[in-house]
Amino acid sequence: GENVEQHPSTLSVQEGDSAVIKCTYSDSASNYFPWYKQELGKRPQLIIDIRSNVGEKKDQRIAVTLNKTAKHFSLHITETQPEDSAVYFCAASKMGELPSPNTGNQFYFGTGTSLTVIP
Amino acid sequence: NAGVTQTPKFRVLKTGQSMTLLCAQDMNHEYMYWYRQDPGMGLRLIHYSVGEGTTAKGEVPDGYNVSRLKKQNFLLGLESAAPSQTSVYFCASSYQVFWKLFFGEGSRLTVL
Repeated sequence: GENVEQHPSTLSVQEGDSAVIKCTYSDSASNYFPWYKQELGKRPQLIIDIRSNVGEKKDQRIAVTLNKTAKHFSLHITETQPEDSAVYFCAASKMGELPSPNTGNQFYFGTGTSLTVIP
Repeated sequence: NAGVTQTPKFRVLKTGQSMTLLCAQDMNHEYMYWYRQDPGMGLRLIHYSVGEGTTAKGEVPDGYNVSRLKKQNFLLGLESAAPSQTSVYFCASSYQVFWKLFFGEGSRLTVL
């Protein structure tokens, strides 16, 4: 089954600097990698996702890169702003496939990275 | 368009009491999920449903039951609450399984 590890658990950056959060996964058959942002006291919200047939995806100041060979994917936030302060979660799965002990497919979130942007 | 709504938002229980959390979505999603969130543990899947009348166990199902009698509603029940079930519970729904999840606002449960 899938195992997702996320690093670092906490990250502090100065406003305007870049932030990078990395996740590794264990199942080479995983093909869908989303990132969720959770502001303090709020619900998690999807901010960007990538499928395994794409190496990089960008949306304004946010980008996700995927290295299938090394089985890791990263979230990059450029020109950070105070409103980027939040907890970020990664996840990995076989898209469209139900979790099952028979297939070994599981959808696990990483344990989260608490990002603080210092003004 | 309310999205995903959860009730109640806060609840305090005594050990052994029972309660039900209600999740409702108005996006006509087939898939619905219940997660719990604990410090340092991320989001862990309790139960999920792939359609009306169907439910399945997730990563941490013990001590919980669920029902999906209507497509738009997904109920999470605690029959005999324990302090270990103190957590923030999130409901979510999606159009495809585990794809682009929409979360509710969360329900904070404290078991004394």
